[in-house]
Order: sequence, then C-alpha cells, then structure tokens
Amino acid sequence: DIQMTQSPSTLSASVGDRVSITCRASQSISSWLAWYQQKPGKAPKLLIYKASILQSGVPSRFSGSTSGTEFTLTISSLQPDDLATYYCQQYSNYPFTFGPGTKVDIK
Amino acid sequence: QVQLQESGPRLVKPAETLSLTCTVSGGPINYYYWSWIRQSPGKGLEWVASISYTTRTNYNPSLQSRVTISLDTSKTQFSLTLTSVTAADTAVYYCARSPTDGPNYFDSWGQGGLVTVSS
Repeated sequence: DIQMTQSPSTLSASVGDRVSITCRASQSISSWLAWYQQKPGKAPKLLIYKASILQSGVPSRFSGSTSGTEFTLTISSLQPDDLATYYCQQYSNYPFTFGPGTKVDIK
Repeated sequence: QVQLQESGPRLVKPAETLSLTCTVSGGPINYYYWSWIRQSPGKGLEWVASISYTTRTNYNPSLQSRVTISLDTSKTQFSLTLTSVTAADTAVYYCARSPTDGPNYFDSWGQGGLVTVSS
C-alpha cells in the first residue's frame, strides 16, 4: 500500500494568514492526489484533484501544488470558515489511501 | 445536484454481518464509480470498496475476505456487506461517488452513518 503522511498534524493561524499543509507519498503517484476539507460532524468535501485542479465552487484562496512525491495545499488568506481538518488522498494505486489529516485552528 | 444517503442498521452484534445501502438521487447511477469509505477514531479515513456502473469491483485487501459491494441500477442504489464484524469495524461509513469510472477521487459524499459493533 502507498503510505500518505501529512504535516503538521495541527496548525493554528490567524485570519488572513497564508497557510500551507504538506502531504508526502511513500512512492510516486504522479499527480493522482486529492485534497478534502472535513468540518466536525460532516462528510469530507473535495477541494482539489489531480494535485492542483480546483473543484468547481471551491474558493480560489485554496490551491494545490506538487514537487515529486511532496504535495502542498495552500490557503492564501485563512478565513473563519476554514476551521476544519484537511486530508490528502492518493488514487494512483489500489488501495486508495488517505493521509492522517491536518487540523486547522483559528487563533 | 446528486445526493447520496446511507441507510441500514446502526448497531450490529460481534460476529454478525453489517449491511448498508446508499441511495443515489438527483443524478444518474450509470457512468460513475461508487464507493464505501469508513472513518474511525483509531484509523482515520479508510477506503473499503468500489464498484463501477459495469459492476466491476475493487476491494481493500485488508477487508477483501469479508466485504462485498453490489449495485442495483434499477433502484439507483449500491450496497455494502461486511461479515464477521468486530469492534474494530465500528466507524462512520460514507458512501461516495467518483466522477468517472476507475481509480479516482470522490466528488460527492453521503452524510455518513455511525455503525457500532457491540453486543
């Protein structure tokens, strides 16, 4: 199985800050990576797929990038509504695997 | 706007079978790829199984001996059965859709249902 790791595990930032979350794959997954946002008690919501393509309806402050097996989700200007846990998921190989999540708190 | 809704018993006894159904509304069931994903506090998000509209199936090897996914296009539903459950199978179970057939991300999710394994 492809192992996904995320850092940091928790992040506390102020409204308006630029925030970045990193996801690493244990082997090459090309750009077959998605990012999800999960708010407490809710299902995950797709933000980005194919590493950098913004899902329709997702605010443009979210963006994704890649460098080799390292992927980054960036929130350009953190908003109160962005309080959530963020997960990456690889879909290069079966079984699909998710990262352990990064919890974003608002200071 | 497609909507997915999980249904099924929320309490299952150890060693028995967990059965869940996902009803798809507001969109076609054909030409998409349908999955079950679960989330437990100890293991995070875990992909369980997927089925294409052509009924081609894929299973997580860690569960493959106990899990079956099926599709009923006439009812626009797909289902999950998990046999010989233990407390480790306690989780929120989500059904989800992928936008095209085959390995993919999940663009629509059901609200999820907590299934507890306990006597």
